[in-house]
Amino acid sequence: KNEVEQSPQNLTAQEGEFITINCSYSVGISALHWLQQHPGGGIVSLFMLSSGKKKHGRLIATINIQEKHSSLHITASHPRDSAVYICAVWVGDDKIIFGKGTRLHILP
Amino acid sequence: NAGVMQNPRHLVRRRGQEARLRCSPMKGHSHVYWYRQLPEEGLKFMVYLQKENIIDESGMPKERFSAEFPKEGPSILRIQQVVRGDSAAYFCASSPPLYYIQYFGAGTRLSVL
Repeated sequence: KNEVEQSPQNLTAQEGEFITINCSYSVGISALHWLQQHPGGGIVSLFMLSSGKKKHGRLIATINIQEKHSSLHITASHPRDSAVYICAVWVGDDKIIFGKGTRLHILP
Repeated sequence: NAGVMQNPRHLVRRRGQEARLRCSPMKGHSHVYWYRQLPEEGLKFMVYLQKENIIDESGMPKERFSAEFPKEGPSILRIQQVVRGDSAAYFCASSPPLYYIQYFGAGTRLSVL
């Protein structure tokens, strides 16, 4: 079993839909990171969380430390949101473990 | 303030040749991380470096791979005697000291013929 599990693996939705991507982990963490990888391959950091909730534009990230679970939400989704979303957890100060990513495709 | 710069963006090598991948961190960042992304797989940690020090190389293959981050100049990931299985995207990320969030480069796509 992977230490970081993401679901779903693939998600196709219509423009405007509310999107939720989930990340569960089985290890103790010091922080959790959501990343976005565009079709061209570039990786962008979206959020770093250690508790609670963060919001940036149409993106919202939440984390529940007790349940070892984080969610990334996208409101009013748009085709330009199509990308692979990657959850990564920090274990201690220098070890990072990545989920396999969720491939999101938003249809116009 | 330029972002994390990786070069080359694409690198083609024949089996047995050497590959050198370069990463210049963001200004003020003293921590560099290398990751490998195999086709259709997630990112995998390879090595974590600070200036002149390898902090954690637990993700590096034991043979043929090495990394350095000298006092001056970029960090280098070196792969000797490349094999087809080394074909992947190699990403570098940097961060300031004592701060988890990392800034990623655009990656180097290595193709081994």
